[in-house]
Amino acid sequence: ETGVTQTPRHLVMGMTNKKSLKCEQHLGHNAMYWYKQSAKKPLELMFVYNFKEQTENNSVPSRFSPECPNSSHLFLHLHTLQPEDSALYLCASSQGAGGPDTQYFGPGTRLTVL
Amino acid sequence: AQSVTQLDSQVPVFEEAPVELRCNYSSSVSVYLFWYVQYPNQGLQLLLKYLSGSTLVKGINGFEAEFNKSQTSFHLRKPSVHISDTAEYFCAVTILTGGGNKLTFGTGTQLKVEL
Repeated sequence: ETGVTQTPRHLVMGMTNKKSLKCEQHLGHNAMYWYKQSAKKPLELMFVYNFKEQTENNSVPSRFSPECPNSSHLFLHLHTLQPEDSALYLCASSQGAGGPDTQYFGPGTRLTVL
Repeated sequence: AQSVTQLDSQVPVFEEAPVELRCNYSSSVSVYLFWYVQYPNQGLQLLLKYLSGSTLVKGINGFEAEFNKSQTSFHLRKPSVHISDTAEYFCAVTILTGGGNKLTFGTGTQLKVEL
């Protein structure tokens, strides 16, 4: 595998379910990101991790819980979601050296909450 | 605070015609600007970026953009488009935080190339 991979690519869940999204980067980067992409809205930055430490939480509801066990893996744990949480969730990574480095995106997980 | 405005939500154009996708930004500090492209069912791919130096930036697939500080713009251009350029294009601006970039995106412009 190369670049940034995300699994699953599609997920349908009920409001009472618990599920997790997985992201893996094979680029040797140190920073990882979660974004939410909803129709007709700009991409919203949710979380930033740098060297496994969370450096940004953009006022995301607690029903979204990120986890970064190492610099290559990032998870987004989901529980008791709402229908308005249906969106494309994108993971990205970057060098994380402190400069304006390029973010590389995965293909996303299309989430539908019933 | 920083923000990005993409004035056109959709731009239809015929194949081999030139195209310009508009992007304006606002930021109170030094900016770094990016254009990303998203093909259907895919993530975002970097087209080009402006960090410093020459205001005319060339990217992949024949795209270029010009940074205009006085007009706070970073418009994307291509002299002759192809059907395969049909996609959504996002302009983004970043400021540097304590670790990692904090990208702020525009709402995107859907480019539709027709025969």
